Amino acid sequence: KAGVTQTPRYLIKTRGQQVTLSCSPISGHRSVSWYQQTPGQGLQFLFEYFSETQRNKGNFPGRFSGRQFSNSRSEMNVSTLELGDSALYLCASSLRTQSSYEQYFGPGTRLTVT
Amino acid sequence: AQSVSQHNHHVILSEAASLELGCNYSYGGTVNLFWYVQYPGQHLQLLLKYFSGDPLVKGIKGFEAEFIKSKFSFNLRKPSVQWSDTAEYFCAVNAHGSSASKIIFGSGTRLSIRP
Repeated sequence: KAGVTQTPRYLIKTRGQQVTLSCSPISGHRSVSWYQQTPGQGLQFLFEYFSETQRNKGNFPGRFSGRQFSNSRSEMNVSTLELGDSALYLCASSLRTQSSYEQYFGPGTRLTVT
Repeated sequence: AQSVSQHNHHVILSEAASLELGCNYSYGGTVNLFWYVQYPGQHLQLLLKYFSGDPLVKGIKGFEAEFIKSKFSFNLRKPSVQWSDTAEYFCAVNAHGSSASKIIFGSGTRLSIRP
């Protein structure tokens, strides 16, 4: 079974621009979560999507948004980029059954904002 | 609100030493507990998980963790570490059955093994 894939792997943007990151979950997984990983803040939860609906959201400004498509693929968008948005953005998928809630992570998209 | 504390930010050990990484969480209800590992240049991988049952959980690569409910702890252990265990280790908690399905991660512990 193929793992979680994220595209692009690396991205360089300038302040004020917007960016869209993509995540394809493991086949059969319906939940996709997004995280921001930085050296100073560690792993911070952005949001989770399940069946095209946002189920939960972390404490990030409205510039961070996402969506999920009917095939469970998800995109994350960041508008009006700031220098502090430079981070590794991780996507994780899970089955989200009652007996199992482990997440499988993708390799991440390294975003650099200059 | 849930929170997870990993008190050791950086641990340095020699090969064959025993390892214990601390993890404490704050949540009064039933929890699912996880340890993830991130090897240099690689993505996060699940080491082990606890949902219910035997509080001593065995994971991959010889790791184990013990859930002690009274102490709100889920410490990771390995009797004899290897150089290849050099990585960052993250403890994570999810409130069982909650509608807020997010997993909260600890800040991570960097483990360096001297060959």
